[in-house]
Amino acid sequence: QQQVKQSPQSLIVQKGGISIINCAYENTAFDYFPWYQQFPGKGPALLIAIRPDVSEKKEGRFTISFNKSAKQFSLHIMDSQPGDSATYFCAASMETSYDKVIFGPGTSLSVIP
Amino acid sequence: NAGVMQNPRHLVRRRGQEARLRCSPMKGHSHVYWYRQLPEEGLKFMVYLQKENIIDESGMPKERFSAEFPKEGPSILRIQQVVRGDSAAYFCASSPSAGIYGGYTFGSGTRLTVV
Repeated sequence: QQQVKQSPQSLIVQKGGISIINCAYENTAFDYFPWYQQFPGKGPALLIAIRPDVSEKKEGRFTISFNKSAKQFSLHIMDSQPGDSATYFCAASMETSYDKVIFGPGTSLSVIP
Repeated sequence: NAGVMQNPRHLVRRRGQEARLRCSPMKGHSHVYWYRQLPEEGLKFMVYLQKENIIDESGMPKERFSAEFPKEGPSILRIQQVVRGDSAAYFCASSPSAGIYGGYTFGSGTRLTVV
């Protein structure tokens, strides 16, 4: 019940295309859903986050869509660029257990010219 | 303002040796979290510490692993009698207040290889 599922495991997108990464969770107590971006040899960096009281959040080319009833959320990267090539992790946490962040297994994104 | 500093970046240990991983949080951050990342897997929570206190160690293996965050100095993750299965990237994160809502900042990690 603590698991966060993520798909696809890897993704290849042409430059200018849309990258879509999907995540699903089971524990309805989760109330904070961040996405992290990790470049090789670096630590994860917070990209964008959403709470379940909104269905969508957009920051620049990055958009989170959230479907509370389906317990699913997704990251859309518009106009994907080679510099977006990285591993993306979705995550979930709950305010009552704020110290535990549950990460998905990650998606390796490659944006090709 | 330096970010979260972890050292060493790479650590090679023979089976049975001890590994010590250090984490200096960002200035002003008194909450430290350790995560482990196995190859092709996401990050797994290990332990959450505040200065001189372990708040949650539910993700720590029961044996051989320990963590501390003394009043002075960096947080230390200690792995005794390392085995090949301990080979992983270990990441430390810090925040100014409890929980991820305060903003997690991750270090670049220590990559432990057990030979």
